[in-house]
Amino acid sequence: DAGVTQSPTHLIKTRGQHVTLRCSPISGHKSVSWYQQVLGQGPQFIFQYYEKEERGRGNFPDRFSARQFPNYSSELNVNALLLGDSALYLCASSLGQVDEAFFGQGTRLTVV
Amino acid sequence: GNSVTQMEGPVTLSEEAFLTINCTYTATGYPSLFWYVQYPGEGLQLLLKATKADDKGSNKGFEATYRKETTSFHLEKGSVQVSDSAVYFCALSPYNFNKFYFGSGTKLNVKP
Repeated sequence: DAGVTQSPTHLIKTRGQHVTLRCSPISGHKSVSWYQQVLGQGPQFIFQYYEKEERGRGNFPDRFSARQFPNYSSELNVNALLLGDSALYLCASSLGQVDEAFFGQGTRLTVV
Repeated sequence: GNSVTQMEGPVTLSEEAFLTINCTYTATGYPSLFWYVQYPGEGLQLLLKATKADDKGSNKGFEATYRKETTSFHLEKGSVQVSDSAVYFCALSPYNFNKFYFGSGTKLNVKP
């Protein structure tokens, strides 16, 4: 069975640019969450989407946005990139809003 | 608020040594507690979990007991192997998998 898949695996962007990260949940899972993991730190919660609606948002600026599509895949968008946005972005999927979460391998974003 | 504090690493042990990684938490209500493991270049894998006080989570020789009186969830293993080398994250979820709060991670190096 396919796990949580994220694309791309690595990405290099310039300050001020925009980036879109993609996540495909495990088949049948309806909830997707996004986390930012800065090097040497634990992941920080960004968003949770369930049934295509935002169900939770972490302490991140409005430059960060996300959406969930009818097939339950999700995109994370970050505008006006800053050097500090360089991190591993992790997607987690779960069957429902409060079920066990399974993490993807992440997208490594480097902002130069 | 909700937060997790875990011992700083790196922790370096010889193969077959006993492992303890300390984790304490602050939470509102009755959280679920988790240990996740991250191998180099990979995402997070759930190692074990406990959903209520005095529960013991166990997997692959690792154990942790949910101690409400000391707000702790220390990870232990009786005999580590080289293959256990990874970064270990303690985490809590106040709504039972809805949203995770992670510690900063503890890197474990096991030498043959």
